[in-house]
Amino acid sequence: QKEVEQDPGPLSVPEGAIVSLNCTYSNSAFQYFMWYRQYSRKGPELLMYTYSSGNKEDGRFTAQVDKSSKYISLFIRDSQPSDSATYLCAMRQGGSEKLVFGKGTKLTVNP
Amino acid sequence: DTGVSQNPRHKITKRGQNVTFRCDPISEHNRLYWYRQTLGQGPEFLTYFQNEAQLEKSRLLSDRFSAERPKGSFSTLEIQRTEQGDSAMYLCASSSGAGRDTQYFGPGTRLTVL
Repeated sequence: QKEVEQDPGPLSVPEGAIVSLNCTYSNSAFQYFMWYRQYSRKGPELLMYTYSSGNKEDGRFTAQVDKSSKYISLFIRDSQPSDSATYLCAMRQGGSEKLVFGKGTKLTVNP
Repeated sequence: DTGVSQNPRHKITKRGQNVTFRCDPISEHNRLYWYRQTLGQGPEFLTYFQNEAQLEKSRLLSDRFSAERPKGSFSTLEIQRTEQGDSAMYLCASSSGAGRDTQYFGPGTRLTVL
C-alpha cells in the first residue's frame, strides 16, 4: 500500500461545476498537507497549504483535512476551463522535509 | 522573475552519457530539494540541502546520482552513465525553512535518454 493514494481520474466536468478532489493516506505522522496544481510539462504550483486538521479557504478553493479519517479534500467552486490541470496532493511529517505526493488527478473543465 | 529556475529545460542524451542539471532557488531560501517525476506519477523525493549541507537522501538516489550545493546558493544534479530508466522530469524546489513554510517548485528539466 502506498503512503498516499489519489485517484488519477481523469475527471471531466462542465464549466461552473463544483469539483471535489481527494486523497487518503496511511501515515498518521503526516501533519502538513498541500495541494499543488500542475499544468502539462510544467512544475507543480502551490495552491493550498494546511497544517493539521481543519478547513482553509482561498477564493474558489477550499481545502479540508480530516486526520481522524486520514483523508484530505480540495473543492473548486465555479470551475473554469483554466482550472484544467493535474492536481497533486502532498504531505509531510513534522521534522521531515520530504514531501510525499499522490499520483495526481487529471481534471478537465469543459466550456 | 524571482521564482525557482532550472536549466536546461530539456535534455536529450544517449545511454551511457553523463548529464548535469542546474537549479537556482528563490533568493534567500536556504533549503533546496530535488525530486523526480515520471509520466503519470507524482514527484518522488531525491534529496535536500540546508545551505550547503546535504541532509537527506532517498534510496532512489543511486550511486550514479550526485547532487551538490557548494556555496549554499545554486545546486547541481549530475547523473553518470545514464540509463533509459532515468528518463523523467527532474524538479527542483526551495523553501525558506522558516516555521511552516512549504516548497516552491521550478519548471523542471525534462530528461530523455535514448
